[in-house]
Amino acid sequence: QVQLVESGGGVVQPGTSLRLSCAASGFTFSNYAMHWVRQAPGKGLEWVTIISYDGSNKFYADSVKGRFTISRDNSKNTLYLQMNSLRGEDTAVYHCAKDIERRGWSLSADYWGQGSLVTVSS
Amino acid sequence: DIQMTQSPSSVSASVGDRVTITCRASQGIAGWLNWYQHKPGKAPNLLIYAASSLQSGVPSRFSGSGSGTDFTLTISSLQPEDFATYYCQQANSFPITFGQGTRLEIK
Repeated sequence: QVQLVESGGGVVQPGTSLRLSCAASGFTFSNYAMHWVRQAPGKGLEWVTIISYDGSNKFYADSVKGRFTISRDNSKNTLYLQMNSLRGEDTAVYHCAKDIERRGWSLSADYWGQGSLVTVSS
Repeated sequence: DIQMTQSPSSVSASVGDRVTITCRASQGIAGWLNWYQHKPGKAPNLLIYAASSLQSGVPSRFSGSGSGTDFTLTISSLQPEDFATYYCQQANSFPITFGQGTRLEIK
């Protein structure tokens, strides 16, 4: 069965960096685009970024553009989110999610991880 | 950016009730609309994709309809496990955007 397990969250100070990982199993990781979606405390879901199945294309929400970088290692079945210049408003649970469409993207996510909490606080 | 507006923001209902949640897009998105269920501390669950297609494994009491700017999610007969927050999401263009969520509570 499909499993997505995030790791790397924690408490960090504003202005610092953190890298999240998402370990994927149960499907051919290299065939699917992947997303990061976050949920701030008491708020709704906010899409963050997407990477194509081969890593050649990426899109970002304006709120993280220039600060966050999505990447993937298809040989390790792992997705990453490098977060730099962190701000208080980046405090959230970060979910990785698999796109529905094989070797393309549909902007729809059929499997999600439970998330990793990132807290940005001084 | 396409704004997604859900109504109501919260609803109280009883087991066995029929519930409808609506979602409006700020511009036409054809049928590029998904619905998710989310419970606290859990992974969100895709219920409906492309406005009306039931995701594999999702009970048939869930259904979706609509196109253009107006969409609905209907739960035909509420079950105890359906009490959660529901989100619509447009899949028409970047940036992907979600509605603010509808919290479904037990009456």
